[in-house]
Amino acid sequence: ETGVTQTPRHLVMGMTNKKSLKCEQHLGHNAMYWYKQSAKKPLELMFVYNFKEQTENNSVPSRFSPECPNSSHLFLHLHTLQPEDSALYLCASSHSGGDSTDTQYFGPGTRLTVL
Amino acid sequence: GENVEQHPSTLSVQEGDSAVIKCTYSDSASNYFPWYKQELGKGPQLIIDIRSNVGEKKDQRIAVTLNKTAKHFSLHITETQPEDSAVYFCAAKGTGRRALTFGSGTRLQVQP
Repeated sequence: ETGVTQTPRHLVMGMTNKKSLKCEQHLGHNAMYWYKQSAKKPLELMFVYNFKEQTENNSVPSRFSPECPNSSHLFLHLHTLQPEDSALYLCASSHSGGDSTDTQYFGPGTRLTVL
Repeated sequence: GENVEQHPSTLSVQEGDSAVIKCTYSDSASNYFPWYKQELGKGPQLIIDIRSNVGEKKDQRIAVTLNKTAKHFSLHITETQPEDSAVYFCAAKGTGRRALTFGSGTRLQVQP
């Protein structure tokens, strides 16, 4: 089992709801990532945080809002989502987001269904 | 940016046979190539990785080879077992890039 945990594991929400996904890493890493995994695009990078600062936003719609209060925690706030946003949302961490040979460790993911 | 192509998309082998999954990448500056295994209901787990200063790396039944000139790398699984059944992803990362670029995945089925 990895040192990256995600809650909840499953989430069903309506298009008008507001919900948040949580990720926590216990590895002492400084970089954290959000990925979206769906049948259309298996592993699509959304956001990167390095030392709590957002260093990459991969053209993600504003209905997804990340938050990184410290190097161990990462949130993804969701509002007015669309059914096509249904997917597995994966969190990952690595020692440092700037090192090109940095291994990324993934959490188990949150399976999101938007009705 | 980086583009990683992965083949085949599905692979079925008999238990005990070998399995090979191939990936090509576009950015010649990429120098880190990990492979992940994802089982049903779980996140991807790192199984082996290779850096550009080596051409081959082995860990028990798993090996990865890298050809920097041709910009391709491969995962080799020998003596496959049913528990090797999963989706495998290759990835590439280069200096200055902040995250991995993943291939589209290969669903490996090992028939007992």
